[in-house]
Amino acid sequence: NAGVTQTPKFRVLKTGQSMTLLCAQDMNHEYMYWYRQDPGMGLRLIHYSVGEGTTAKGEVPDGYNVSRLKKQNFLLGLESAAPSQTSVYFCASSWGGGGRTDTQYFGPGTRLTVL
Amino acid sequence: AQKITQTQPGMFVQEKEAVTLDCTYDTSDQSYGLFWYKQPSSGEMIFLIYQGSYDEQNATEGRYSLNFQKARKSANLVISASQLGDSAMYFCAMRVEDGGSQGNLIFGKGTKLSVKP
Repeated sequence: NAGVTQTPKFRVLKTGQSMTLLCAQDMNHEYMYWYRQDPGMGLRLIHYSVGEGTTAKGEVPDGYNVSRLKKQNFLLGLESAAPSQTSVYFCASSWGGGGRTDTQYFGPGTRLTVL
Repeated sequence: AQKITQTQPGMFVQEKEAVTLDCTYDTSDQSYGLFWYKQPSSGEMIFLIYQGSYDEQNATEGRYSLNFQKARKSANLVISASQLGDSAMYFCAMRVEDGGSQGNLIFGKGTKLSVKP
């Protein structure tokens, strides 16, 4: 039981390049999330999904796209990377029913640098 | 709109002493959940404790307790008997909870706790 995994762990891009971050969870969770964390800031929600085939915008969605073709995977894409997207990206998942047992489980993070 | 405020950017505590990390929140919703997460230097986010807005008792999980004062909209984390391994960033977060649906987590900016030997 690996929980939430993220690929890759580190990546350096040049401005204008594209890339996809992969998140996978083996807990059969319905909800999945992508956050970014910048120095001195908490986590900010980029996009989320409440089930296979669904996606929705979070607080800071501009410059990112997502897809949830399979329940266990949630992909985050950067079509044309910008230095402002240098950040640590976290994926999380939860079952979505609310309450005490509905905590979000986080992946280890991906450190992305855009030059 | 919901908002979480953590006013202490950094805190120091002596090993074996207790420490309180402050968190205030703002929401007009009646049903919500409050969370604390720990982020050690290795970077992972670790869930510590949860408090529901209708819970009458303060939540406790081992050495962690949540001092929930609903009227003051505060949800402070108390760590008893601090250990060196408690040195980390701590984030307070809130989620609106409305029956079968739920909102997304809103995070504060965090408090960096340093435990001194």
